[in-house]
This record gives sequence, structure tokens and C-alpha cells, in this order.
Amino acid sequence: DIQMTQSPSSVSASVGDRVTITCRASQGISTWLAWYQQKPGKAPKLLIYAASTLQSGVPSRFSGSGSGTDFTLTISSLQPEDFATYYCQQANNFPYTFGQGTKLEIQ
Amino acid sequence: QLQLQESGPGLVKPSETLSLTCTVSGGGSISSRSYYWGWIRQPPGKGLEWIGSIYYSGSTYYNPSLKSRVTISVDMSKNQFSLKLNSVTAADTAVYYCARLEDTAMVRADYWGQGILVTVSS
Repeated sequence: DIQMTQSPSSVSASVGDRVTITCRASQGISTWLAWYQQKPGKAPKLLIYAASTLQSGVPSRFSGSGSGTDFTLTISSLQPEDFATYYCQQANNFPYTFGQGTKLEIQ
Repeated sequence: QLQLQESGPGLVKPSETLSLTCTVSGGGSISSRSYYWGWIRQPPGKGLEWIGSIYYSGSTYYNPSLKSRVTISVDMSKNQFSLKLNSVTAADTAVYYCARLEDTAMVRADYWGQGILVTVSS
């Protein structure tokens, strides 16, 4: 299985900050990477797919980049509703696997 | 607006079979050739695990770690798909999500059910 490793595991930030979360794959996955946001007690929400394509309806302050093994999710200016846990997911090989999550907390 | 809703028992005894159904409504047809349908689970306080997926034709993909215990099936007449996981243990306690899987560009879960907590306990 392809292992997905996110860093950091948690991060504290303030409203208006720029935040970057990293996801590293244990082998190359081209751009077959998605990012999800999950709030407590809720299902994950798709933010970005194919590494950099914004899902319909997702604010443009979210962006993704990368290819191969290294990927980033950037939130350009944090809003109060962005405090949540973020997961990356690879779809290069089955079984599709997720990162362990990055919890974004209010500083 | 497409909606997915999981249903089934919230408590299953060890060694028994976990059975869940996902009902698709709001205009989405499970017989659409554009999508797969899948199950993903999340143990309490932990990360996400891909269980498997099914296409309207019945072709399935299962996580090898669960393959010997998992069956996913589809009922087009009811616009539903189902998950069966047999010989469950406490390690199968999790929130189980059903999801629509969009396959253009890459496979990703673009619509999710709200999730159902299944506890394995005697």
C-alpha cells in the first residue's frame, strides 16, 4: 500500500494567517491526490482533486500543488470556518489511502 | 441536491456480520456510468480507511486488508448499495461512510453520507 504522511500533525494559527500543510507519498503518485476537510462529527468534504483542481463551490483561498511524491495544501487567509482537520488521499494505486490528518487549531 | 444516507444497526456482536445500506436520493442514479460508489470508515478519534467500491455493473474493488471479509453489492431497483463485513471484532468499531466516487481526472469522494457509528461489542 502507498503510505501518505502529512505534516505537521497539528498546527495553530490565527484568522487571516496563511497556512501550508504537506503530504508526502511513499512512492510517486503523479497528481492523483485529493484533499478533504473534516469538522467534528461531520463527514469529510472534498476540497481539491488532481493535486490542484478546486472542487466546485470551494473558496479560492484554498489551493493545492505538487506532483510525484510531495504535495501541499495552502489556505491563503484563514477564516473562522477553516479550523478543522485536513486529510490527503491518493488514488494512484488501490487500495486508496489517506494521510493521518492535520488538525488546524485556533491560536 | 444529491444525498446519501447510511442505515443499519449501530451495535453488532463480535464474530457477527455488520450490514449497512446506503440510499442515494436527490436525483442521483446508482446506475449512472459516470460514478462508482464506495464505503470508507473512521475509527473513533482516528483517520480514514478506504473499504471498497462498486460500479453499477457490479464490479468491485476491495481493500486487501479487508477483502476476505467484505462484500459490497448494489440494488439498482432501490437506488441503494450495501456493505457486509463478517467476523467483526472491536477493531471494526468505526463511523462508516458511504460516498459517491467521481472518476474523471482521479477517483475521489465528492458526496458523502453523514456517517453511521457502528460499535462492535457483546
